[in-house]
Amino acid sequence: SYELTQPPSVSVSPGQTASITCSGDKLGDKYASWYQQRPGQSPVLVIYQDIKRPSGIPERFSGSNSGNTATLTISGTQAMDEADYYCQAWDSSTDVVFGGGTKLTVL
Amino acid sequence: QVQLVQSGAEVKKPGASVKVSCKASGYTFISYVIHWVRQAPGQRLEWMGWINAGNNNTKYSQKFQGRVTIITDTSANTAYMELSTLRSEDTAVYYCARTQHLSFDYWGQGTLVTVSS
Repeated sequence: SYELTQPPSVSVSPGQTASITCSGDKLGDKYASWYQQRPGQSPVLVIYQDIKRPSGIPERFSGSNSGNTATLTISGTQAMDEADYYCQAWDSSTDVVFGGGTKLTVL
Repeated sequence: QVQLVQSGAEVKKPGASVKVSCKASGYTFISYVIHWVRQAPGQRLEWMGWINAGNNNTKYSQKFQGRVTIITDTSANTAYMELSTLRSEDTAVYYCARTQHLSFDYWGQGTLVTVSS
């Protein structure tokens, strides 16, 4: 079955750039999406189709996807960005698959 | 505005079934696919299955095949997910979510299902 791998945790200082990776076999051939989930809340879509931002998502969130790795980049990270982030893709064998999640700490 | 409102928390005994509802508003219900995703405490998001509200086609994750049923009531703009033969490992928050552009653009608020004897 298809799997997506994320680092368990990433730390960043306020105002700096955070990068969260998501790895999967030939992931660049699929569309990757990213979700932000704060404690006790439902996930929120922040990036879809690799690079697109839904309405209302700040410009500091951006995405890329090539080869085996998709990356979520948060520029000028703010304290409010501290959350868990999940990547997601579609695969013909397993349909929907999520990564294991990355806890972003802003310190 | 698009909203997905789910039913309230449930407590079930092992071996029982649970049925969670997801009422949609703010968009044309039959034009979209609704998915169900669950999250056990401290765990990752886990996809369970989907239903095309327009034609009632469904697809389920192999992990839940035979235990999960997803249906809709288009007259009530509501989707339902029923999970049977519950065990303690099924304790989780269950979410419904709408798909667009191969991603989940709107999510319900989640329903906590606790399985305990």
